[in-house]
Amino acid sequence: SYELTQPASVSVSPGQTASITCSGDKLGNKYASWYQQKPGQSPVLVIYRDTKRPSGIPERFSGSNSGNTVTLTIRGAQAMDEADYYCQTWDSSTSVVFGGGTKLTVL
Amino acid sequence: QVQLVQSGAEVEKPGASVTVSCKASGYSFSSYGISWVRQAPGQGPEWMGWIGASDGDAYYAQRLQGRVTMTTDTSTTTAYMELRSLISDDTAVYYCARGRGTGEGFDYWGQGTLVIVSS
Repeated sequence: SYELTQPASVSVSPGQTASITCSGDKLGNKYASWYQQKPGQSPVLVIYRDTKRPSGIPERFSGSNSGNTVTLTIRGAQAMDEADYYCQTWDSSTSVVFGGGTKLTVL
Repeated sequence: QVQLVQSGAEVEKPGASVTVSCKASGYSFSSYGISWVRQAPGQGPEWMGWIGASDGDAYYAQRLQGRVTMTTDTSTTTAYMELRSLISDDTAVYYCARGRGTGEGFDYWGQGTLVIVSS
């Protein structure tokens, strides 16, 4: 079965840039999405189709896709960005896969 | 505004079945699919399957095939997920999420329904 691999944790200082990676076989040939989840809350879509931001998501969130890796970048990270982040893609037209998640710490 | 409102928490015994509902409002229900995603305590999300709200075509995660059924009722704009033969590993928060199609993300999520499987 298809797998997406994320680092378990990433730390960033306030105001700096955080990058969270997600790797999978031929991931560059698929579209990826990213979700932010804070404790006790439902996931929130922050990036879809690799690079697109839904309305209401701050411009400091951006995405890229190259080769076997997609990357979520948070420029000027804020304390409110501290959360778990999950990548997601479609393994086929009828099957969805999530990454294991990355805990972002802003300190 | 788009809302997905799920039914309340459930406690079930092993071997039983559970049905979770997801009432959609604020958009054209038939124009989008609904995915079901569950999250065990301390774990990442696990996709369970997807159903097209207009035609009822459903696709299930392979590991749940035979135990899960997803349906929709367009007259009440409600989606349902039934999980049968429950085991303790099915203890999780279950979410419904609106999907815009293959390759797109899930842009609206329900508030989650906690299902506890315990004897």
